[in-house]
Amino acid sequence: ETGVTQSPTHLIKTRGQQVTLRCSSQSGHNTVSWYQQALGQGPQFIFQYYREEENGRGNFPPRFSGLQFPNYSSELNVNALELDDSALYLCASSLRGNTIYFGEGSWLTVV
Amino acid sequence: DAKTTQPPSMDCAEGRAANLPCNHSTISGNEYVYWYRQIHSQGPQYIIHGLKNNETNEMASLIITEDRKSSTLILPHATLRDTAVYYCIALNRDDKIIFGKGTRLHILP
Repeated sequence: ETGVTQSPTHLIKTRGQQVTLRCSSQSGHNTVSWYQQALGQGPQFIFQYYREEENGRGNFPPRFSGLQFPNYSSELNVNALELDDSALYLCASSLRGNTIYFGEGSWLTVV
Repeated sequence: DAKTTQPPSMDCAEGRAANLPCNHSTISGNEYVYWYRQIHSQGPQYIIHGLKNNETNEMASLIITEDRKSSTLILPHATLRDTAVYYCIALNRDDKIIFGKGTRLHILP
């Protein structure tokens, strides 16, 4: 148990729709990162939030956006879904400068 | 992050020690060596990390060479549940994890 919880665990969306994925960080953690993992690939870094501010972004288009709330929980929003967005979305949290822990992920299928 | 190099796959007999190598020849002085593993369809699991000294915890041991250019993760008594992709990462503690391809470890019964 890492204390990082994600919801929903599985969901199916239609191409063009929007999706919001949620992450509850481990207690006391002020940094959260999101990753996309396509089938058979390693996790790809999307972005990181530290104390509610974006603190680094990977090579993802602007339709991938996020939020971190005052309690350090976080959301990942993806607009205009494409078939290639089908993947496992991972949330990771840490107390900045310390070990990073991952949740079990949200499986998104776009049809 | 410093680039790490790992073999794409390895086999190990159940009950034997699994030794997973990692090269990180360009690691900088403030970067730690972290190991994670990912069992199929689950989130990556933290295993162990170190800076200079060898480290041991309930899951594994980490041996880092004196020049810090390479390291070895040791699972002392591998079981079938240790079958996973193992990622070696050189990480500045204020940075984010950039995953490489990792090593796919197969534990053979």
